Amino acid sequence: DAGVIQSPRHEVTEMGQEVTLRCKPISGHDYLFWYRQTMMRGLELLIYFNNNVPIDDSGMPEDRFSAKMPNASFSTLKIQPSEPRDSAVYFCASSLSSGGAVYNEQFFGPGTRLTVL
Amino acid sequence: GDSVTQMEGPVTLSEEAFLTINCTYTATGYPSLFWYVQYPGEGLQLLLKATKADDKGSNKGFEATYRKETTSFHLEKGSVQVSDSAVYFCALRSAGNMLTFGGGTRLMVKP
Repeated sequence: DAGVIQSPRHEVTEMGQEVTLRCKPISGHDYLFWYRQTMMRGLELLIYFNNNVPIDDSGMPEDRFSAKMPNASFSTLKIQPSEPRDSAVYFCASSLSSGGAVYNEQFFGPGTRLTVL
Repeated sequence: GDSVTQMEGPVTLSEEAFLTINCTYTATGYPSLFWYVQYPGEGLQLLLKATKADDKGSNKGFEATYRKETTSFHLEKGSVQVSDSAVYFCALRSAGNMLTFGGGTRLMVKP
């Protein structure tokens, strides 16, 4: 299995531009998570999906951030407009549930390093 | 709400030294506990886990025991190697199906 795939691995953009991060979860997994990692705030959960439906987006910092999961094999995290304080590493993770609860581990992608100038 | 507190790093050790990284948690109910490891430039990988009190998780020479009475899940290894240099995250999963992570502890092992 290829694992969780994220693209791009690095993104450099200018303030005000739209940024779209992409994630392909492990085939068959029914949970997908988006995290943000910064030196100041550590690892933060932004949003997660179950069977393509957003379950909890309370970690999304503000309306400039949006996430979608149109099908079981693809998700996007969009920032519009981007700001320098959005610079971080963004991770996608997926997991397989059992009996409705997530008993198994989360598998993380390699991350997208975003720099907003 | 749930929270995880782990010792701040960096922790710098010589090869073959004994490692302990402290982790304590606050949670309602009986959470599952995890240690994840992040090598430079990579995503997090599960290192070990424990799902109930007194369980011991172990992998690659690392161990951690779920201590309900002290709400702790300290990570230990008897003899570290240079290749163990990484950032280690303690985490818990409670009823909400989400993971709550600690701040991470950077380990540097010198030859």
